Formats: sequence, structure tokens, C-alpha cells
Amino acid sequence: RKEVEQDPGPFNVPEGATVAFNCTYSNSASQSFFWYRQDCRKEPKLLMSVYSSGNEDGRFTAQLNRASQYISLLIRDSKLSDSATYLCSRGAGSYQLTFGKGTKLSVIP
Amino acid sequence: DADVTQTPRNRITKTGKRIMLECSQTKGHDRMYWYRQDPGLGLRLIYYSFDVKDINKGEISDGYSVSRQAQAKFSLSLESAIPNQTALYFCATSGAGNQPQHFGDGTRLSIL
Repeated sequence: RKEVEQDPGPFNVPEGATVAFNCTYSNSASQSFFWYRQDCRKEPKLLMSVYSSGNEDGRFTAQLNRASQYISLLIRDSKLSDSATYLCSRGAGSYQLTFGKGTKLSVIP
Repeated sequence: DADVTQTPRNRITKTGKRIMLECSQTKGHDRMYWYRQDPGLGLRLIYYSFDVKDINKGEISDGYSVSRQAQAKFSLSLESAIPNQTALYFCATSGAGNQPQHFGDGTRLSIL
């Protein structure tokens, strides 16, 4: 099992829909998790950090389930501008080195 | 100005050439990283450095070398470039502990 796994998608959703992605991890020692957004051929940009059970920022909610070893990202009221690839990353101990391959989201008018 | 700056942004070169990609940062972070990204393969770690005197191999270090010239500078070299090193390269930095990484704009490298 890879350290961090994501459903590559694509997730095609209509504007205004709610969509959720999961990211599973195999190392139970992981202490921190991050969601990044990456537009085509651009750099990943930090979207949210998750250090405990979850985090919420406007339309975006991240939740951590340590028992089942996954984190989720929920996007409410999807906008066209949310179309991107979403990467999750885990940290363990003193560094964060493991990224998932990303989930592609397309929000359709 | 960007906090993490990569140069060049684009480079086309020939097989066998030596290439250096440079990264500088103004975030004051001790930790710096080099990744490459290929379609379908995600981000793969090449080298990372936790401070000026610390260099560590990542997942795919073969064919690459790095130099940490100062806290703010971390360069990646391809001693003899080959076509399968064609990729998008990212430099990233982070603070100590469980902090997120901050990425540069990337260098698009094509080796013919």
C-alpha cells in the first residue's frame, strides 16, 4: 500500500454541488496533513492544514479520521474556479515528504 | 516578489549537457526540497536539506546532485542530462516541525 493514496478522478460536478475527496495514508505515526490545490502546470498552493480532527475555511472543510487513517476534503457550493487538482500530503515526525498523486476536480457550468 | 524563486522558468537543452536549476527563498525557512512532477506520477522527491550542512537523498536522486550554498539557496544539478529527465521541477521550503511546504513557480525542463 502506498503511503498516501488518492482517487485520481476526475470528479465532474455541476456548479453549486458539494463534493468530497478522500486521502488514505498508511503510516499511523503521521501527525499532520495538508491539502494543496494545483492548477494545470502551476505550483501546488496550500489550501488547508489539518493537525487534529479537522479544519474549516469558508466552503472548504477538512476532516481527519485517525482510526480509519484517512483525511477528507469537502467543498460546498462548488465554483467554476474550484476546478483544479487537489493534493494531500502527510507529515510524520520532523518532516513532510509524502504527497498523494492528486484528485482532479472539474466543476461544470 | 515571490517568496520562493526558481530560475530558469523554462529550459530546453540537449542530451549530455550539464544543467543547474536554482532556488532561492526569502521565507527564512531552514528546510528546502527539490521535486519533479510527471503526468500521472505526482510529485516525487529528489533531494532535501534541513539546514546548510544537511543533504539527503529522496525517492529519485540518481542522476541528480544538489548544493545548499546558504540558508536561502538550494540548487539542483543534472550532470549529464537525459531525455527522461524532462519534467516540471519544483523547489519547496518549510519551517521546522510539522509545517506545510511552500513551492516555487516551477521550472519546465525539456531535454532533447
